[in-house]
Amino acid sequence: ILNVEQSPQSLHVQEGDSTNFTCSFPSSNFYALHWYRWETAKSPEALFVMTLNGDEKKKGRISATLNTKEGYSYLYIKGSQPEDSATYLCAHPLDYKLSFGAGTTVTVRA
Amino acid sequence: DAGVIQSPRHEVTEMGQEVTLRCKPISGHDYLFWYRQTMMRGLELLIYFNNNVPIDDSGMPEDRFSAKMPNASFSTLKIQPSEPRDSAVYFCASSLRTGEDEQYFGPGTRLTVT
Repeated sequence: ILNVEQSPQSLHVQEGDSTNFTCSFPSSNFYALHWYRWETAKSPEALFVMTLNGDEKKKGRISATLNTKEGYSYLYIKGSQPEDSATYLCAHPLDYKLSFGAGTTVTVRA
Repeated sequence: DAGVIQSPRHEVTEMGQEVTLRCKPISGHDYLFWYRQTMMRGLELLIYFNNNVPIDDSGMPEDRFSAKMPNASFSTLKIQPSEPRDSAVYFCASSLRTGEDEQYFGPGTRLTVT
């Protein structure tokens, strides 16, 4: 049973379109929520670490919001580009280690 | 800093052989993690260290797997004897602290056991 749930499992986006997807996690004893981008044949790379309810973080065309009371985070990609194609993982600390979701795989079609 | 360094990048070995994977974390990071990526289970944590001390090895699949961290700049993951089902990509990651800080992943070692 995954501590962290991500949906959808995969999605296809047309270049230039915007998209978003969800990470849900236990809302009790919240500590932090991580987002990572994992490109094929590479290693996961941190995008954001979010700790405050209502927090919104942005890196270029990618942004994330956090709702710790209801236990979810959204990741948004604005104006998707082919280089945004990757698996996006969220992770939640559990017993001092990160519990990763299964990821949302984004494929941007040119 | 060069980031987390792993070696070898690729390893092909025969069933029954001993395999040793190596990791050098980012200098100053107190935490080191070993992960395994498989199609079936995704990214799973095998073991992690804090200040060179193993804290949680509950993810280590069985006694054939062992990990050590003799000093702050080096860790090994050993599989003896190796089996075909051990074929996977093994990642090492390090962080300043656990939970709150982002983890920095190495490039991974792709292990193939024939």
